[in-house]
Amino acid sequence: AQRVTQPEKLLSVFKGAPVELKCNYSYSGSPELFWYVQYSRQRLQLLLRHISRESIKGFTADLNKGETSFHLKKPFAQEEDSAMYYCALKTSYDKVIFGPGTSLSVIP
Amino acid sequence: DTEVTQTPKHLVMGMTNKKSLKCEQHMGHRAMYWYKQKAKKPPELMFVYSYEKLSINESVPSRFSPECPNSSLLNLHLHALQPEDSALYLCASSQESSGGSYNEQFFGPGTRLTVL
Repeated sequence: AQRVTQPEKLLSVFKGAPVELKCNYSYSGSPELFWYVQYSRQRLQLLLRHISRESIKGFTADLNKGETSFHLKKPFAQEEDSAMYYCALKTSYDKVIFGPGTSLSVIP
Repeated sequence: DTEVTQTPKHLVMGMTNKKSLKCEQHMGHRAMYWYKQKAKKPPELMFVYSYEKLSINESVPSRFSPECPNSSLLNLHLHALQPEDSALYLCASSQESSGGSYNEQFFGPGTRLTVL
């Protein structure tokens, strides 16, 4: 079965603290995984993808096939990081399925 | 123009009405998508158009009827909707829908639909 899980609906951290948003997936093939972000009153946008192995806005995510995880991390959270984060899995062509999302709140 | 636009922003309709949602992009993208997003839930794929042809229909009820008149426009025609169809309807586009590596989807702001 193709599935994306994000165990935390809500996550609150203090400004300057490390943050980790968890994502686990279930997929029989070779997975392509992404993180999407939706800031308040803004449209959904791609944050990063595992293939590019890049760091965007200080966020990184490593695909761990053994643990079927793709956790999003940032060493020092900023207030502007407060948003809804969705982990997503490409299943075929450009079809993706989204995880349930984690709402991140960074406390000043 | 590097955005996906959607009109209207908000729509309220009765169960017997017929209405349409419109999506437009001028980025030269050849794949366009409709998603449905309920409150506090992730987007769920409804339809995919690739080169103006319907390529994916996620078993969506026939009261939702998509149309792609040209490569820049995508419509969603609504008829005889139910209150449970109330949601945010998102449109997205990408360079093309292919079996290769993922092409980033660019999302519009959505149309907030309320069915009374």
